[in-house]
Amino acid sequence: DVKVTQSSRYLVKRTGEKVFLECVQDMDHENMFWYRQDPGLGLRLIYFSYDVKMKEKGDIPEGYSVSREKKERFSLILESASTNQTSMYLCASSFSNRVGEKLFFGSGTQLSVL
Amino acid sequence: AQKVTQAQTEISVVEKEDVTLDCVYETRDTTYYLFWYKQPPSGELVFLIRRNSFDEQNEISGRYSWNFQKSTSSFNFTITASQVVDSAVYFCALSERRDTGANSKLTFGKGITLSVRP
Repeated sequence: DVKVTQSSRYLVKRTGEKVFLECVQDMDHENMFWYRQDPGLGLRLIYFSYDVKMKEKGDIPEGYSVSREKKERFSLILESASTNQTSMYLCASSFSNRVGEKLFFGSGTQLSVL
Repeated sequence: AQKVTQAQTEISVVEKEDVTLDCVYETRDTTYYLFWYKQPPSGELVFLIRRNSFDEQNEISGRYSWNFQKSTSSFNFTITASQVVDSAVYFCALSERRDTGANSKLTFGKGITLSVRP
């Protein structure tokens, strides 16, 4: 089974801090994603990576950056955390970039910015 | 306009009742895929089903069934004889060709919170 592991289940940070959310997948998948989940808004795509060092902005990239130095690891970076970035963050991976590929998700990181 | 609309936000049923979760989608592509995912309290989204636009056959898997109708752009999900373990948030999602590179991106609906009471 594909395993997508997010480093923290819960995280509490202060406004202005630099925050790193880490995600690792163990199935050699080409693509990795960061989604944000908010009540009443569903899941929204922040960033997408289709290869090592390759990235593409999603629907809500403002305030975020990403890093993919190795195929299995995809990091989401909040350069200066703000309270409106309090949310559940979900990492996902897929085998290829074809339409219809199934996404495999991690358990999520609930981030609170105080 | 929303590409995936889940008009129901919360549903509460008593165990053993049947329940249908609605999903309406919007796309201009002729080739697309629809998904349902389940998110239990543990947080991880669990894949339930994928259906491509050329296959309108209904699908049944145990207590779960899916009704795909292109004429109404709907992909509804029915749980028969619901159980407490079915309590979760259910997401419908669309995969379609993109102008940008993210072809495997899923566009999600807002989710439906299902509570099954004993």
